[in-house]
Amino acid sequence: NAGVTQTPKFQVLKTGQSMTLQCAQDMNHNSMYWYRQDPGMGLRLIYYSASEGTTDKGEVPNGYNVSRLNKREFSLRLESAAPSQTSVYFCAGAGTSGYNEQFFGPGTRLTVL
Amino acid sequence: GQQLNQSPQSMFIQEGEDVSMNCTSSSIFNTWLWYKQDPGEGPVLLIALYKAGELTSNGRLTAQFGITRKDSFLNISASIPSDVGIYFCAGRRTGTASKLTFGTGTRLQVTL
Repeated sequence: NAGVTQTPKFQVLKTGQSMTLQCAQDMNHNSMYWYRQDPGMGLRLIYYSASEGTTDKGEVPNGYNVSRLNKREFSLRLESAAPSQTSVYFCAGAGTSGYNEQFFGPGTRLTVL
Repeated sequence: GQQLNQSPQSMFIQEGEDVSMNCTSSSIFNTWLWYKQDPGEGPVLLIALYKAGELTSNGRLTAQFGITRKDSFLNISASIPSDVGIYFCAGRRTGTASKLTFGTGTRLQVTL
């Protein structure tokens, strides 16, 4: 039982390049989330998927797209990376209790030059 | 977007001391969660609180769901070096079942 996994762990991009961050969970979570973490800013929600087949914008969605491929997988895409997207990205899944306890992956550290 | 007010922002304490931190909001929350993040890792859930007044412990950690439902507290007793990290509170508000609001974190440093 790996929990929530993310790939890659590190990535360096040039401005304008695109990439997809992958997230998978084996905890049977219905809901999945993408956050970014910047120094002094805490965790900010980018997009979330309350259930398979649905996605919704969070607090900072501009410049990102998501795909809920199936119940297990939720990917985050940067179509044209910008230096302002340099951050640590975390994926999370929420349990089925209804209280929304979220469980996080190890993160992807992205640098955009 | 709203974030919870978490204090203090940082703490430097000596090993063996007790630690207290809190989280406040202008909104009512139905669930309070406390997470710890080690350097280079993702946040790990420590304690979950589900009703006003609830007091829950996890080893040396004790958290409380405030009576007003607008605040929560985390205490760590007899701190040890591995307590170093960032502690985040998070809350779930009525009508936002699928989303959490996070605090900005309390950075804890423990000296020997």
